[in-house]
Amino acid sequence: DGGITQSPKYLFRKEGQNVTLSCEQNLNHDAMYWYRQDPGQGLRLIYYSQIVNDFQKGDIAEGYSVSREKKESFPLTVTSAQKNPTAFYLCASRGLAGVYSTDTQYFGPGTRLTVL
Amino acid sequence: GDSVTQMEGPVTLSEEAFLTINCTYTATGYPSLFWYVQYPGEGLQLLLKATKADDKGSNKGFEATYRKETTSFHLEKGSVQVSDSAVYFCALSDRGGSNYKLTFGKGTLLTVNP
Repeated sequence: DGGITQSPKYLFRKEGQNVTLSCEQNLNHDAMYWYRQDPGQGLRLIYYSQIVNDFQKGDIAEGYSVSREKKESFPLTVTSAQKNPTAFYLCASRGLAGVYSTDTQYFGPGTRLTVL
Repeated sequence: GDSVTQMEGPVTLSEEAFLTINCTYTATGYPSLFWYVQYPGEGLQLLLKATKADDKGSNKGFEATYRKETTSFHLEKGSVQVSDSAVYFCALSDRGGSNYKLTFGKGTLLTVNP
């Protein structure tokens, strides 16, 4: 089945440690996105990538970094510079042509990060 | 910039009641509009979408009509079920102006009691 996978589902880290969240998709989508969700709030865009080896900052990029070395993978690193990293992180992807509509983003199941 | 305002919850209904969740938007261009649903502990699932004025999106008994004159995209369902309990997000996509970035409302928690 085609889809987006995020791992792990739950992640615990000590304050001051960097942590990397995985996002993989087998939908052959070109664009990928990372969002952060906090309780009672909508989703906020962290980073996005339209093509391999290229990515842009979203609205809340400070304290985060990404890479896009392969089309199917877009890992997010939460660095120690992120002041309040505890949140639910969602990855999404969008196809640019073909079966999937170009303006629709499809989401993974999310990773809940707790910094102790 | 673009923004989405949706009805604050929580909304609590009895099974088979009529549901409306209001959503209005502000956008400079001609956005696509979406409703996503999030079940507890899960990611977002696309519920329905509309891409131009007067389009009606529908899925699983839910409907929403793109109203350009009132900049609205209200979600409705004629008879809710317990399984519809979830958080509902209204969102818009600027369709290329900012690389199809999605702007979300804050979400509305719906609880349906038997």
